[in-house]
Amino acid sequence: KNQVEQSPQSLIILEGKNCTLQCNYTVSPFSNLRWYKQDTGRGPVSLTIMTFSENTKSNGRYTATLDADTKQSSLHITASQLSDSASYICVVPGTYKYIFGTGTRLKVLA
Amino acid sequence: DAGVIQSPRHEVTEMGQEVTLRCKPISGHDYLFWYRQTMMRGLELLIYFNNNVPIDDSGMPEDRFSAKMPNASFSTLKIQPSEPRDSAVYFCASTLHGSSYNEQFFGPGTRLTVL
Repeated sequence: KNQVEQSPQSLIILEGKNCTLQCNYTVSPFSNLRWYKQDTGRGPVSLTIMTFSENTKSNGRYTATLDADTKQSSLHITASQLSDSASYICVVPGTYKYIFGTGTRLKVLA
Repeated sequence: DAGVIQSPRHEVTEMGQEVTLRCKPISGHDYLFWYRQTMMRGLELLIYFNNNVPIDDSGMPEDRFSAKMPNASFSTLKIQPSEPRDSAVYFCASTLHGSSYNEQFFGPGTRLTVL
């Protein structure tokens, strides 16, 4: 069964600290994986896409990794800011539709 | 570009009433998706259109839900009659060409509360 699982469900960190969010998938065949950021009261916005051949990609303070062998991806946030407080959603396209994870809710405290 | 536009942003209605949600996709995008988001289940695909034609409506929960796309710049999602368990945030998203490598652009959502 095609599934995308994210961990942890929620996370609280202090401003300036780093954190890592995890995404495990069982979708096959695999072509790409995308991370979205969803601020409260808004729609998801893409942070980055990881294709099959990519291992690491950075977008400012966000670094995504992909291990296609173990079917895992991570999103690392460096030097967190209050504006990083949001839900982070991992999405993998299946054969007929996109498979969404349930997200990780991150809260950054001052 | 104004992005995907949804209206209303908030809707409060009573059980049994008809609810219509509206969406204007990004100009030029040929795929349009309707999603429902709840805390328990996350984002769920309800239906999607390609060139105004419904392609997959297997995610529509019941016959009470219907969606239309009369032209390339407008789509509606209707719930009739509405029930309290329909309370959720409904998102519309659009993309170009439907390639899985292309980003889906989401609207701001409509928060529906059915009393």
